[in-house]
Amino acid sequence: QKEVEQDPGPLSVPEGAIVSLNCTYSNSAFQYFMWYRQYSRKGPELLMYTYSSGNKEDGRFTAQVDKSSKYISLFIRDSQPSDSATYLCAMATQGGSEKLVFGKGTKLTVNP
Amino acid sequence: EPEVTQTPSHQVTQMGQEVILRCVPISNHLYFYWYRQILGQKVEFLVSFYNNEISEKSEIFDDQFSVERPDGSNFTLKIRSTKLEDSAMYFCASSSDGGRYEQYFGPGTRLTVT
Repeated sequence: QKEVEQDPGPLSVPEGAIVSLNCTYSNSAFQYFMWYRQYSRKGPELLMYTYSSGNKEDGRFTAQVDKSSKYISLFIRDSQPSDSATYLCAMATQGGSEKLVFGKGTKLTVNP
Repeated sequence: EPEVTQTPSHQVTQMGQEVILRCVPISNHLYFYWYRQILGQKVEFLVSFYNNEISEKSEIFDDQFSVERPDGSNFTLKIRSTKLEDSAMYFCASSSDGGRYEQYFGPGTRLTVT
């Protein structure tokens, strides 16, 4: 079983839709959960950062962590064409290591 | 807004040559990282650096790789003898002491080994 799994998509939605992006993981030691946005041939851009379980909201973005199910989600409300990008989840364990373990990314297209 | 910068944006080199990829992390950050992304694959951790020494490295980071902070602003990745399979995007990242896991990435250097 891969450490972090993410459906690569592609995912295509109309403008204004609610988008749900998800990752599952196998390592129960993961405590830090991040979502990055990556435009084509650019560096990952940090969108959301969550520690342990729960929800975090930032504007149109909501991150959810369910540690019991080893499942994290990113919701994008009122999606815009500018949200078209690849979304990467990343995770880290607590203490000692700052290594981020990434999912493969989900490619999202928001159609005007 | 402060950002991580990387140079060059694209480097083409011949197999067996040495390359140095350069990064300027965010100025008040203390933790520095290199990751790479082979086309179509995941972003992979290479190495983390703190207090002028390597704190962790991956299996990929073998003796052909080295990192250095030659001065107060730059952070470099050297590949001594490049191989075809080193062709990838190389990303530098940095984070602060109070937010080690909030890593900010640079735009990347695309390394092409021919």
